[in-house]
Amino acid sequence: LAKTTQPISMDSYEGQEVNITCSHNNIATNDYITWYQQFPSQGPRFIIQGYKTKVTNEVASLFIPADRKSSTLSLPRVSLSDTAVYYCLCVGGATNKLIFGTGTLLAVQP
Amino acid sequence: DSGVTQTPKHLITATGQRVTLRCSPRSGDLSVYWYQQSLDQGLQFLIHYYNGEERAKGNILERFSAQQFPDLHSELNLSSLELGDSALYFCASSVGEEQTYNEQFFGPGTRLTVL
Repeated sequence: LAKTTQPISMDSYEGQEVNITCSHNNIATNDYITWYQQFPSQGPRFIIQGYKTKVTNEVASLFIPADRKSSTLSLPRVSLSDTAVYYCLCVGGATNKLIFGTGTLLAVQP
Repeated sequence: DSGVTQTPKHLITATGQRVTLRCSPRSGDLSVYWYQQSLDQGLQFLIHYYNGEERAKGNILERFSAQQFPDLHSELNLSSLELGDSALYFCASSVGEEQTYNEQFFGPGTRLTVL
């Protein structure tokens, strides 16, 4: 499973767009890039998943360049409730487990 | 609410004891996963069951075991407990066996404290 690298922490203010970049140089052909969000003492929650180019849903966008060695999670107009740890994972079809890294602690201030 | 239930919510026990954590997956989900989250180790995958059969093992200690029953609920058994086993234990479920197209839904967790 490809190892991911992301910033340990990020700060932002309410209403701003936040971009969290993740590096996954050894991503496998079958891997999908998946992002989870975790609030303190709660289980992680799926945010978005993509294979290439751009994916958008009601909460976030995911940008993946052609070489797929990195990806960027974009959160539009964050609020205080978006303060959480965000995990980037490479998820392959042949494996059945999520390997979480250290994640990025996003702190949103008023 | 993810639809995944875990009991108990909190568990306090002593070293050397044995405990059982229970998980009920979302209705219709056949896969159950167990994860351990501690301050020093982060979120660690333990084991995955699909429709009653073990599918993958992660960093699960020999003192730990799990099973998935015919009604699809799962139990994680932790024995000969040590102080270092104190952690949050999460159960997650998904529809299928492979995870690429099946997001995992996590339960609220069981906080285990070993004194």
